[in-house]
Amino acid sequence: KAGVTQTPRYLIKTRGQQVTLSCSPISGHRSVSWYQQTPGQGLQFLFEYFSETQRNKGNFPGRFSGRQFSNSRSEMNVSTLELGDSALYLCASSLNRDHEQYFGPGTRLTVT
Amino acid sequence: GQQLNQSPQSMFIQEGEDVSMNCTSSSIFNTWLWYKQDPGEGPVLLIALYKAGELTSNGRLTAQFGITRKDSFLNISASIPSDVGIYFCAGQDSGGSQGNLIFGKGTKLSVKP
Repeated sequence: KAGVTQTPRYLIKTRGQQVTLSCSPISGHRSVSWYQQTPGQGLQFLFEYFSETQRNKGNFPGRFSGRQFSNSRSEMNVSTLELGDSALYLCASSLNRDHEQYFGPGTRLTVT
Repeated sequence: GQQLNQSPQSMFIQEGEDVSMNCTSSSIFNTWLWYKQDPGEGPVLLIALYKAGELTSNGRLTAQFGITRKDSFLNISASIPSDVGIYFCAGQDSGGSQGNLIFGKGTKLSVKP
């Protein structure tokens, strides 16, 4: 069974731009969560989607948003990029909301 | 908010030695998870624990879910060079916080051949 895939793997953007990251969960998994990883803050929860609905949201500004499609694939969007948004963005999928999460390889976003 | 204290922050050991790391929480969790992350990659799930007191092994790795549900530990026996990486504990709540993993800051393991 294929693992979680994320595209693109690397991205360089300029301050003020917006970016969309994509995540395809493991086949059959219905829950998708997003995390931001930085050296200073570690792994922090962004949001979780299940059945195309956002079920949980972390403490991030409204510039961070996401959605989930009927096939469980998910996208996250960051608008008006700031230098501090540079991070590894990780997507994780699980069978259901209370099952263990499996991570993708991440998207490395660099904002200049 | 919930926080996880993971220790030690880093370890330098000789190949063949055993390793032990742990996580403690200010609140209880229903699930404890242990992950390993290599540079530039996403965390890989090592062990998942679902019941207080549960002891689970995965090859040379053994993890336990503490009786109080506020702690967990991971042991690696007879370490080898490919064990190098950062190990994270994560706690998962139930109810309204499902899908939200709380992570420790990680334990960076270095193994000297």
